[in-house]
Amino acid sequence: QQQVKQSPQSLIVQKGGISIINCAYENTAFDYFPWYQQFPGKGPALLIAIRPDVSEKKEGRFTISFNKSAKQFSLHIMDSQPGDSATYFCAAKTSGSRLTFGEGTQLTVNP
Amino acid sequence: KAGVTQTPRYLIKTRGQQVTLSCSPISGHRSVSWYQQTPGQGLQFLFEYFSETQRNKGNFPGRFSGRQFSNSRSEMNVSTLELGDSALYLCASSLGPSGSYNEQFFGPGTRLTVL
Repeated sequence: QQQVKQSPQSLIVQKGGISIINCAYENTAFDYFPWYQQFPGKGPALLIAIRPDVSEKKEGRFTISFNKSAKQFSLHIMDSQPGDSATYFCAAKTSGSRLTFGEGTQLTVNP
Repeated sequence: KAGVTQTPRYLIKTRGQQVTLSCSPISGHRSVSWYQQTPGQGLQFLFEYFSETQRNKGNFPGRFSGRQFSNSRSEMNVSTLELGDSALYLCASSLGPSGSYNEQFFGPGTRLTVL
């Protein structure tokens, strides 16, 4: 019940396109859903996060969509750029727990 | 402000040996968490320390251990290394324990190869 399922495992998008990564969870007690971005040779870095009291959060070209009833949330990257090529992890937690991470999505944006 | 530093960055060991990895958190951060990252398993939580006390532990064998010092620096130790221990070991620090919503800041990791 602590798992977070992430898809797809890898994604190839053309420059200027929209990248969409999806995550699903089972634990309805999760109340914080961050996304991390990891470049080769670096540790993951927080990209954007959402609480379940809102259905969408946007920061620049990055948007989280949250569907509480379906227990799903997704990351949308608009106008994808080659510099966005990285591995993306979704995660979830409750107030009393540690972060549980998804399996990761390797995004490649072709020029 | 300096980020999370991990030493060494790369390490090659042979089966049966033991290894110690070090993590220095961001100044002022009192919580340190360790993760194992592999291509097949993603980010797997190892353990978390806050104020020198282990607060959480993941599902890893007892060969994996850690500790935290009074200056919040942390070490993790893996004894009797196995080939499957080859991974990137990440350390993350935050102001408060994982039960809070303080952002976790990750270090660059230590790449451990077991031959």
